[in-house]
Amino acid sequence: DAGITQSPRHKVTETGTPVTLRCHQTENHRYMYWYRQDPGHGLRLIHYSYGVKDTDKGEVSDGYSVSRSKTEDFLLTLESATSSQTSVYFCAISGTGSNEKLFFGSGTQLSVL
Amino acid sequence: SQQGEEDPQALSIQEGENATMNCSYKTSINNLQWYRQNSGRGLVHLILIRSNEREKHSGRLRVTLDTSKKSSSLLITASRAADTASYFCATGGYTGANSKLTFGKGITLSVRP
Repeated sequence: DAGITQSPRHKVTETGTPVTLRCHQTENHRYMYWYRQDPGHGLRLIHYSYGVKDTDKGEVSDGYSVSRSKTEDFLLTLESATSSQTSVYFCAISGTGSNEKLFFGSGTQLSVL
Repeated sequence: SQQGEEDPQALSIQEGENATMNCSYKTSINNLQWYRQNSGRGLVHLILIRSNEREKHSGRLRVTLDTSKKSSSLLITASRAADTASYFCATGGYTGANSKLTFGKGITLSVRP
């Protein structure tokens, strides 16, 4: 998966708890993205980063925050998890441009009970 | 909102047959990409075609782009059981330096041995 590691791979948590997902890359790529994948919705962009400390919102950003303090790490935080945030979360990276070829991680299956 | 819409939603063919999948979009694009996702895995980039290109080949894959009709097709020739996967089109726009890819909901392809 092109030097992208997502952790954890699976997580079960309770409604109302904060959750942080981590994406780590070894490719030194500038752009990093967080998507969620849900049946019937395909992939939807949550947040993305175009450099260290440079982030912006995607189409489904409510309830999520991100941070990027180093090129290699992009963290996604669910501030107070809800059942509607049960999903598979994918991190992706791109080095050539923000709408160019993406490399995806293996995903994190998150269940909020 | 999703830019690309794939058609059909599901396709089942016999090994050795060709598989054709279509993608339509609504606004002007810089490029269109196709990705594959095997069950439980992240997406893998297959091919990228730019708005000034009409056709592109990669191995058994052939992609066409018709910007006048705002549509693309992905042809997989001589399909194999290993081609069984979900296929997504993604469109890249012109909305500035940090434009993002927008994914469709995907097509499920089943190739019967």
